[in-house]
Amino acid sequence: QVQLMESGGGVVQPGRSLTLSCAASGFHFSSYGMHWVRLAPGKGLEWVALIAYDGRNEYYADSVKGRFTISRDNSKNTLSLVMNSLRPEDTAVYYCAKDGSGWDAAWYFDIWGRGTLVTVSS
Amino acid sequence: QSVLTQPPSVSGAPGQRVTISCTGSSSNIGAGYDVHWYQHLPGTAPKLLIYDNNIRPSGVPDRFSGFRSGTSASLAITGLQAEDEADYYCQSYDNSLNVHAVFGGGTKLTVL
Repeated sequence: QVQLMESGGGVVQPGRSLTLSCAASGFHFSSYGMHWVRLAPGKGLEWVALIAYDGRNEYYADSVKGRFTISRDNSKNTLSLVMNSLRPEDTAVYYCAKDGSGWDAAWYFDIWGRGTLVTVSS
Repeated sequence: QSVLTQPPSVSGAPGQRVTISCTGSSSNIGAGYDVHWYQHLPGTAPKLLIYDNNIRPSGVPDRFSGFRSGTSASLAITGLQAEDEADYYCQSYDNSLNVHAVFGGGTKLTVL
């Protein structure tokens, strides 16, 4: 069945880096844009980043632009998020999510993983 | 503060009908961008309930329906069931510079 599974979360000090991964299965990964979305404690969902199906285009929320980098390996059906210069406000559960449309992004999320928790604290 | 505005909570008894509103602006819903709805139980993967304003993905019961008009949208749930107790989020696209996908703050549905 269609599945996304995140990994790589943990506790990290402010200013340090962390890399999240997402393993995809059950669908043609290389045909879909992929997103990261986060849920901070006591807050609502926040879109973080999108990478196009072929990896040629990336988009970021202003809150993470210049610090986070999204990438994908279509040969391994994996999505990654490199998070640098982490801040306490980056503390959240991070979800990878499949875009609802193939090729051109539809900007909604039809399949989600269960998330991985990132805690930024000294 | 979220770009889209939802009530923090709604409640209803089993069998009743509830609606959840989602208010945006001229740069998102009012600009004609589609609205999507998600159901989230803490600790689980969020689930797409409605996409493109009123389309249910396969497997979503027809008790769930969506509507968009002007700068707002709403999610209606009829025949409320205990298993519907969850957080619900609306989402759209915003054409403000570098904003892209935007969410509502979420609404906690309590089944009394």
